[in-house]
Amino acid sequence: DVKVTQSSRYLVKRTGEKVFLECVQDMDHENMFWYRQDPGLGLRLIYFSYDVKMKEKGDIPEGYSVSREKKERFSLILESASTNQTSMYLCASSQNRGPSSYEQYFGPGTRLTVT
Amino acid sequence: DAKTTQPTSMDCAEGRAANLPCNHSTISGNEYVYWYRQIHSQGPQYIIHGLKNNETNEMASLIITEDRKSSTLILPHATLRDTAVYYCIVSPGGYQKVTFGTGTKLQVIP
Repeated sequence: DVKVTQSSRYLVKRTGEKVFLECVQDMDHENMFWYRQDPGLGLRLIYFSYDVKMKEKGDIPEGYSVSREKKERFSLILESASTNQTSMYLCASSQNRGPSSYEQYFGPGTRLTVT
Repeated sequence: DAKTTQPTSMDCAEGRAANLPCNHSTISGNEYVYWYRQIHSQGPQYIIHGLKNNETNEMASLIITEDRKSSTLILPHATLRDTAVYYCIVSPGGYQKVTFGTGTKLQVIP
């Protein structure tokens, strides 16, 4: 089974702190994604990466950065956390070949609270 | 990406078929339709996808109209564990960036 793991299920940080959210997948997938999910707004794409050291902005990249130094690991960085970044953060991965490249596998999510 | 329109919520009796509609009237010829669901407190889970033809797997069936402007996800015998938010998404083949909307909240009733 494909497994996508995220470093924490729950995280509480203070305004202005630098926050790292880590995601690891074990299926050698090329593509990795970071979303945030807020009530009434659905899932919104923050950043994605289709290869090591490659990254693309999603729909709401402001206030975030990402790092992908190894194929299996994709990190989301909040340089200076703000209260409006309180949200559920979901990581996903997918392979890049064939019809199943449209299937994204999601991690369990990290609920981040910024106080 | 083409946008989709789904009802906000639906109810279905346990054991009956759940038919979840999706409108995607601006879909392009190379865009796939695919469905995910999200059970409470979990990440979304892929269900099925299709381009033109109807598709079936162990979880569900996908019916796409001939003009491809709408589709229906069918859960043939809904169970309480199918209670979830269902997302319909369209995206070009090979293009990895997808946009999730707010989906349909399906409540399966005993």
